[in-house]
Parts: sequence; C-alpha cells; structure tokens
Amino acid sequence: GAGVSQSPSNKVTEKGKDVELRCDPISGHTALYWYRQSLGQGLEFLIYFQGNSAPDKSGLPSDRFSAERTGGSVSTLTIQRTQQEDSAVYLCASSGVEDTQYFGPGTRLTVL
Amino acid sequence: AQTVTQSQPEMSVQEAETVTLSCTYDTSENNYYLFWYKQPPSRQMILVIRQEAYKQQNATENRFSVNFQKAAKSFSLKISDSQLGDTAMYFCAFIRIPGNQFYFGTGTSLTVIP
Repeated sequence: GAGVSQSPSNKVTEKGKDVELRCDPISGHTALYWYRQSLGQGLEFLIYFQGNSAPDKSGLPSDRFSAERTGGSVSTLTIQRTQQEDSAVYLCASSGVEDTQYFGPGTRLTVL
Repeated sequence: AQTVTQSQPEMSVQEAETVTLSCTYDTSENNYYLFWYKQPPSRQMILVIRQEAYKQQNATENRFSVNFQKAAKSFSLKISDSQLGDTAMYFCAFIRIPGNQFYFGTGTSLTVIP
C-alpha cells in the first residue's frame, strides 16, 4: 500500500514569509508525528496527533509553529514569519496499532 | 524520562565485513519497543528492525540482527555481509507501551568502504 507522503519535497522561502508543509499518513494510521532534523543532526520532536485527542504540542519551538490534522488524516505544519534557523528537513511519520513509525520522505525547507 | 544514547557518531566497515552499532537506553518502564531506523543520503527514514521488550529472542531481519540485553538496557545492531547500500545514518529509538512519544538517539553515521 501507499506509504507516508509529504509535499513539497523542497521549499525555498524568504525570511519573514509563512510556509505550509503537508503530510499524508498511511491510510488507517491514527497517530501522526512531526519532527525537525537539522543538517547532520538527530530528530527533534515537534508535535503528535492521536485520533481525536488533543495534540501533544510540547515540542513546538515557538508560537510561530502550528499544526493541524483535518478529519484524522492529512496534517499541515505551518511556520509563520520564517527565520533562517528554521531551515531544516521536516519529517512526518504515522503509526497504527503496531506502534511502529513509518516516515515520509521529508520536506527540505530553506529560508534565505 | 526516557533517554537513548548512541555513543558512536561515526563508523566504517569494509564491504562484506560485519559491523555492530551500539545503543543504550535508560527507562524505568518494563514494557516497551525498540527500533533501528536507517536514513540513507536520500533522507528517507526506513525501519530496519524492531524488538519487543517482552521477547527474549533477538529480532533478525536478513543480514540485520540485534543483541538485546534488557538488564543492561543495551540494544546493539549487527550488520553482516555489509553492502555499499548500507551506508547511512542509523538511529536507535524507544517507545514506552502504552505510550505515544518516540525517543531517538543522535545517530551513527556508517560508511561501507568498497
């Protein structure tokens, strides 16, 4: 079946602009995660959605970051007033009943 | 709080040889899962292997196997007959069961030398 997809694959934006990153999880997966990965670094947890429960936003680095998950499926991560330090790869993952995360290919964000 | 430690930032291995990547974790939980993920230069994170803590038998997937030592909180990955395509970052990860948050190590960069 189809895996996790993310769009766009690459995004270049100017400092101060807003960006939206999209994640389509595996069909039927109730859990969805967003991570940030800076160059050569590990994964930084951002936010977690589980079904209809309130999301765990504890990893969001500032109030410029927000995320939504509509209808328990597609998720959008929004970064407002982007800064150069926001440049990174943003990874999305989903998991189902087996509690194993499956990752998308990521979106590489470059803020000029 | 749970922590995952990978003490080898970089490793290399000759093609066809065997290499072991180390991972230790700290938890007071008794029920959890452990994972190894591979991230090649293409940046796609790929599940390599998974181990349930309640299972004593070490997980194996083809050339990949783990040495799970629950008492020592150690979870090493052995790659046999290393291939050039194994060149990647390898991340060890932990999730408490039941739970929702995954904890990742900082990764080990593995290079397979022809």
